[in-house]
Amino acid sequence: DTEVTQTPKHLVMGMTNKKSLKCEQHMGHRAMYWYKQKAKKPPELMFVYSYEKLSINESVPSRFSPECPNSSLLNLHLHALQPEDSALYLCASSQAVGSRSYEQYFGPGTRLTVT
Amino acid sequence: AQRVTQPEKLLSVFKGAPVELKCNYSYSGSPELFWYVQYSRQRLQLLLRHISRESIKGFTADLNKGETSFHLKKPFAQEEDSAMYYCALKGDFGNEKLTFGTGTRLTIIP
Repeated sequence: DTEVTQTPKHLVMGMTNKKSLKCEQHMGHRAMYWYKQKAKKPPELMFVYSYEKLSINESVPSRFSPECPNSSLLNLHLHALQPEDSALYLCASSQAVGSRSYEQYFGPGTRLTVT
Repeated sequence: AQRVTQPEKLLSVFKGAPVELKCNYSYSGSPELFWYVQYSRQRLQLLLRHISRESIKGFTADLNKGETSFHLKKPFAQEEDSAMYYCALKGDFGNEKLTFGTGTRLTIIP
């Protein structure tokens, strides 16, 4: 299995809802990433997990809460989001951090709409 | 700080003509440079990286440290090359952030 999978594909939520995005990989990768991509813009890094520990938080608001329960799974918990948080959320994985030339494999993304 | 600049948002090239997508970067250490591609309705995927110095789908890119550039080139464009291309930079050991340029949408005209 050489793919990163993300669920759900689409999500519509109100500003008072709590929801979660899920990402899974079975390539034995030990680094996993969350990116946010607004329309016609490049992906922007949100979080990096290395060996199930949070290693980078790009000053993301606390209404986004990442979780890495094991080496294959990455979640993004959403609470009290704003309409401007509507975007495509991409998950990626790579063999490890701290080494050169590790390719990041991207999932297809979850299209989030906040109403 | 690390920054990647792709000056062309859109680029149209006739089939069979040469292609060059420009990428310039700003980084004080020793960066790694990548080109990622996103074909229509497909996920973002790695096209090539400067360290491996390989040619993928006829594309090559050479890191020019003097000019801080990593331009993507192909001698003869094919229709299937139409896609969104992102140049990306990863910093030194311990700096795992991948920073993307704004992207260039390449359209090959039949």
